[in-house]
Amino acid sequence: EVQLVESGGSAVRPGGSLRLSCATSGFNFDDYGMSWVRQAPGKGLEWVSSINWNGGSIGYADSVKGRFTISRDKGKTSVYLQMNSLRAEDTAFYYCVTYDFWKYAWLFWGQGTLVTVSS
Amino acid sequence: QTVVTQEPSLTVSPGGTVTLTCALNTGAVTGIDYPNWFQQRPGQAPRSLIHSTDKKHSWTPARFSGSLLGGKAALTLSGVQPEDEADYYCQLYYGGAWVFGGGTKLTVL
Repeated sequence: EVQLVESGGSAVRPGGSLRLSCATSGFNFDDYGMSWVRQAPGKGLEWVSSINWNGGSIGYADSVKGRFTISRDKGKTSVYLQMNSLRAEDTAFYYCVTYDFWKYAWLFWGQGTLVTVSS
Repeated sequence: QTVVTQEPSLTVSPGGTVTLTCALNTGAVTGIDYPNWFQQRPGQAPRSLIHSTDKKHSWTPARFSGSLLGGKAALTLSGVQPEDEADYYCQLYYGGAWVFGGGTKLTVL
């Protein structure tokens, strides 16, 4: 069974930092790209960042470019999102998602972790 | 700026058929935009339904189908069930970035 479990979400002050983690199991981690998607409470989905199977191709939404960094750890079959200079508008549920890089097919979603940026 | 537009809401009767669409502000949606479709039931995480315009995942019910229709990506539900009441999001790969539509709230009534 495929499992993606996000962690690391919490309340933080504007300008602060957080590191989200997504631990995966049940599939060959090395074969798949990973993405982060966020959803502000009551709002739609927003793509945040993606990293391909070997970390050689990385993309960011303009809204987070220069502030967020995605990475992956083959040994821990995990993906991370380092979030710096957080703003109120970064408040959202953050989901990690697997995708098939070659087929551009998005596959499995985690249950999400909540990040709240507030003074 | 790339904008992907979906119908904000649609209503369908149980057993009926409904088509949701996904439009791109820069022009027609094509296969190389690799449309994905997702379903999100209230209080749940999204789940993937369709990729590459019309390809179903192994878990996607047969009543869901994807296509290109009049320059848009489309998701058709045939024989709608009460459990299909949910938000539906399309997603396109354009300009090196993934872009989500604003979502369609589907009511089964």
